[in-house]
Parts: sequence; structure tokens; C-alpha cells
Amino acid sequence: GAGVSQSPSNKVTEKGKDVELRCDPISGHTALYWYRQSLGQGLEFLIYFQGNSAPDKSGLPSDRFSAERTGGSVSTLTIQRTQQEDSAVYLCASSLGVRTGELFFGEGSRLTVL
Amino acid sequence: SQQGEEDPQALSIQEGENATMNCSYKTSINNLQWYRQNSGRGLVHLILIRSNEREKHSGRLRVTLDTSKKSSSLLITASRAADTASYFCATDTDYKLSFGAGTTVTVRA
Repeated sequence: GAGVSQSPSNKVTEKGKDVELRCDPISGHTALYWYRQSLGQGLEFLIYFQGNSAPDKSGLPSDRFSAERTGGSVSTLTIQRTQQEDSAVYLCASSLGVRTGELFFGEGSRLTVL
Repeated sequence: SQQGEEDPQALSIQEGENATMNCSYKTSINNLQWYRQNSGRGLVHLILIRSNEREKHSGRLRVTLDTSKKSSSLLITASRAADTASYFCATDTDYKLSFGAGTTVTVRA
């Protein structure tokens, strides 16, 4: 597609439920990132995928968070047993290659945990 | 933890004035980037400056980088109402971009 696509754009869920957030990067981009942005805050790095290499999961805040990237393209971020502190905007970005250049961001998925 | 920190946190200026914001960081970098975020939207890349560059221009944007002081500045000249947004610096250490908390710029008509 023309840009990074994320779905859903908004998700309201109850505490304890699992959620899945999807990211469709720009075609041909080998690097994919997930960030989390809490209200009025900067971006918190979550996870990074590069080609077929093992992902860098060092930013995932707990074992309730996981992500996968299938076929080097679409990525899914899964949050199990959601908590209220998980409420945030989850941003996905992709870039061309290993050397970090410009990141192209999606519009984000706003998660609200009641 | 955040690598970059922007200063000021918020800035309000009149249309036509210049806006300057600063970014300080802690560790050595490969490059530094600036992004803009309009309310409720994703981030948009503005400019990238490499560690061996000192100044870069793009349209009404001017970025400086001082690696000895571990700091960068973003200048927006002749501001417009459409420049109202949050601006983030991002430092590239290894392959990850670390973002600061941002500067919120309001341009008054």
C-alpha cells in the first residue's frame, strides 16, 4: 500500500481481555517497529523486526505483550490480560533497511482498557 | 528510558515568528532525526542529520547538531498556523530510534 496501515484505529476493551493490533508496513520495507505513546508523552520503544533476524523484544514491558511478523510483512502485536495501564496509542513504523533512516509511521491504534 | 529530551516542553508564538526547540541526548549517535506529530495522528519525518554533519536545511527548517555537547536544535522560520504540532527528536543508537517527550508548538494567527 501507499503507507503504513494499522487496525483497528480505536479499540475499547475490558480489563483482562486479550487484544490484537495489526500493522501492514510499506511494501518492500524490511524493518518494522512498534512504539507505545501514552497521553502527552513521547514514544516508548516496544519491539523491532528486521528481515529474518530474531526480533529485538527488549522494550516489551511484560510477558503479556508479544508480537510476530509473518512472511516478513504484516505484524501483529498481542496484549494478553489487558490492564488499565496498557491504555495508550500503539504506533507502528517501517523503514527500508538495516541502517536506520527515515521511519514511516502509521496513524496508530488507540487502545482504551476500561 | 528516553535518550533525547526536548526543550522547551511547550512553545507559543505568533504567525510569522521563528520557533526554536532544542534536543539533548546522552550517548553517541549515528544520526539524529526530527519528526512532527499533528494531534491524533502518526509521526511524520522532517529531517535527518548525520553525526558528521553540523547543519542541514530543508525548506523553512534548519537543524544543527553539536556532537560535543550532545545537542541539536530545530528552527522553523516564518511560522504558519499549519506548523502547530508536537515536534520530537529521535536519536539513532545502533538500529533503534529513541524519542524524546516532544515540544508542543502553538502558532497563533
